[in-house]
Amino acid sequence: QLQLQESGPGLVKPAETLSLTCTVSDGSFSSGDCYWGWIRQLPGKGLEWIGSIYCSGRISHNPSLRSRVTISVDTSKSQFSLKLRSVTAADTAVYYCARHRSGGQFDSWGQGTLLTVSS
Amino acid sequence: QSALTQPASVSGSPGQSITISCTGTSSDVGGYNFVSWYQQHPGKAPKLMIYEVINRPSGVSNRFSGSKSGNTASLTISGLQAEDEADYYCGSYTRSDTLVFGGGTKLTVL
Repeated sequence: QLQLQESGPGLVKPAETLSLTCTVSDGSFSSGDCYWGWIRQLPGKGLEWIGSIYCSGRISHNPSLRSRVTISVDTSKSQFSLKLRSVTAADTAVYYCARHRSGGQFDSWGQGTLLTVSS
Repeated sequence: QSALTQPASVSGSPGQSITISCTGTSSDVGGYNFVSWYQQHPGKAPKLMIYEVINRPSGVSNRFSGSKSGNTASLTISGLQAEDEADYYCGSYTRSDTLVFGGGTKLTVL
């Protein structure tokens, strides 16, 4: 069964760069659509799509975050990563990684990781 | 891009049916059959319930159904059960090759 696991520091200082990695288990990382995404949820708020990446390297971003976001993929490690630069307290959220299908849906999700921005 | 519009809350009694709406524009919901719905219980990751407007993933109860008319998609839950109490989010592909979610709807089972 497909499993995704986010990993990251938990706490980041303002103005620094947030780095998260998602590791996919079950061996199917590069098969099928091979399309993976990041979504976040601010405290008490709704879901916000951050961006998605194909194994080919093609990327799509949320326009509101594009200037600060870098998404990359490492198929040899079955991982994809998120970097968010110049973070502020407004970036404090639970960050999820998920498998992104061609119909636009996210059908498998990680458990989420809380990222707090604080000095 | 603007978030899709969902009612903040809906409620129903066990056994009843409820419908949650998700309104967008011709650039997202109305323009593509790429609308999905997610259920989220407190402290848990979202779970896909409906994709491509009407399709149910394997394992999702047939009490959940989706539809679309114009720029508005809908999620209907029939035979409401206590375990259905959760937050529900819609999502749609957009003309800009991006994704957008709705603001979420809190379902209360009375």
